[in-house]
Amino acid sequence: DAGVTQSPTHLIKTRGQHVTLRCSPISGHKSVSWYQQVLGQGPQFIFQYYEKEERGRGNFPDRFSARQFPNYSSELNVNALLLGDSALYLCASSLGGGSTDTQYFGPGTRLTVL
Amino acid sequence: AQSVAQPEDQVNVAEGNPLTVKCTYSVSGNPYLFWYVQYPNRGLQFLLKYITGDNLVKGSYGFEAEFNKSQTSFHLKKPSALVSDSALYFCAVRGAGNNRKLIWGLGTSLAVNP
Repeated sequence: DAGVTQSPTHLIKTRGQHVTLRCSPISGHKSVSWYQQVLGQGPQFIFQYYEKEERGRGNFPDRFSARQFPNYSSELNVNALLLGDSALYLCASSLGGGSTDTQYFGPGTRLTVL
Repeated sequence: AQSVAQPEDQVNVAEGNPLTVKCTYSVSGNPYLFWYVQYPNRGLQFLLKYITGDNLVKGSYGFEAEFNKSQTSFHLKKPSALVSDSALYFCAVRGAGNNRKLIWGLGTSLAVNP
């Protein structure tokens, strides 16, 4: 079975631009979460979606938004990019949205903002 | 507030020796604890989790972790380290209830020397 897939693998943008990152969860998983991982740190929670509804939001500005589609895939959008948005963006899927559910991660999208 | 501490930035062990990667946590209510491993340029791979029950949890690749409520710790262990275990290890915690955020430690770099 395919794991969590993310696209693109790498992305280079300039300040002020907009970016869309995509994620396909493991088949049968209905929850998707997004994380930002800056070099040398642990992942920081951005959003969780379950059954197309937002279930949690981390401490990120409104420039960050996301959505989940009927097929449970998800997009993360970042507007007005800043240099500090350069990071590895990780998507994780889980069967449900519960606290005990294991999250399985994709390989990530490496975003570089110049 | 929830938090996770991984007190060691780096752990060095010789191949064949036992390894321990330390994790302590702070959370209100019952904790749900997770260990993940990250290899270079790859996403996070799930190793094991503690939800309830036996304090000793067995996971993937021969790893295990011991939950200690009185010391609020969840140390990762392996009886005999392999060179291929060299990677970055993350501990994460989620509290019970509606707080669905996974809070992550900063990671511990494990180096297993041949």
